Amino acid sequence: GAGVSQSPSNKVTEKGKDVELRCDPISGHTALYWYRQSLGQGLEFLIYFQGNSAPDKSGLPSDRFSAERTGGSVSTLTIQRTQQEDSAVYLCASSPGPLDTEAFFGQGTRLTVV
Amino acid sequence: AQSVTQLDSQVPVFEEAPVELRCNYSSSVSVYLFWYVQYPNQGLQLLLKYLSGSTLVKGINGFEAEFNKSQTSFHLRKPSVHISDTAEYFCAVSSYNQAGTALIFGKGTTLSVSS
Repeated sequence: GAGVSQSPSNKVTEKGKDVELRCDPISGHTALYWYRQSLGQGLEFLIYFQGNSAPDKSGLPSDRFSAERTGGSVSTLTIQRTQQEDSAVYLCASSPGPLDTEAFFGQGTRLTVV
Repeated sequence: AQSVTQLDSQVPVFEEAPVELRCNYSSSVSVYLFWYVQYPNQGLQLLLKYLSGSTLVKGINGFEAEFNKSQTSFHLRKPSVHISDTAEYFCAVSSYNQAGTALIFGKGTTLSVSS
């Protein structure tokens, strides 16, 4: 597609349920990033993929969070047993290379845990 | 580990005034530096980047930033702001680390321009 696409755009879930957030990067982009944006907290780095592998998982806040990327393209961020503190906007970005190139961001998924 | 500190969470200015948004980073290795902007209800987009060479880099919409290695800073400036510059601005650093690479953002600075 023309840009990074994230779905759903909004998700309301009950506490304790699992959720899956999807990211479709720009075709051909090898690097893919997930961030969490909360008010006053900026962009919190979650995980980075180069191709299908995730060399940096240091940002995942707990073992309830996991992510995968298949075919060097689509990525899914899964949050198990959601908690209210997981409420935030989850942003995905992709770039042609891992380091010195511009990252292109999706519009994000707004997750609300009630 | 890398980190980015944006020294001001909010910067209110009047239209046509100059502005500086401050950013300091910490990293033990060579870095690449970026400023991104997020306009209200829009996604993030790149303003400018420093990779190498001239320490003064120019970006879109009249913004510029200066890389200062000795002070580990990358402050963003504009000589005369417009109402339309009202947005949240994020400084980011990218470098190799033990895990490969990372793109780390600061907490953002909200620029509010009023008439």
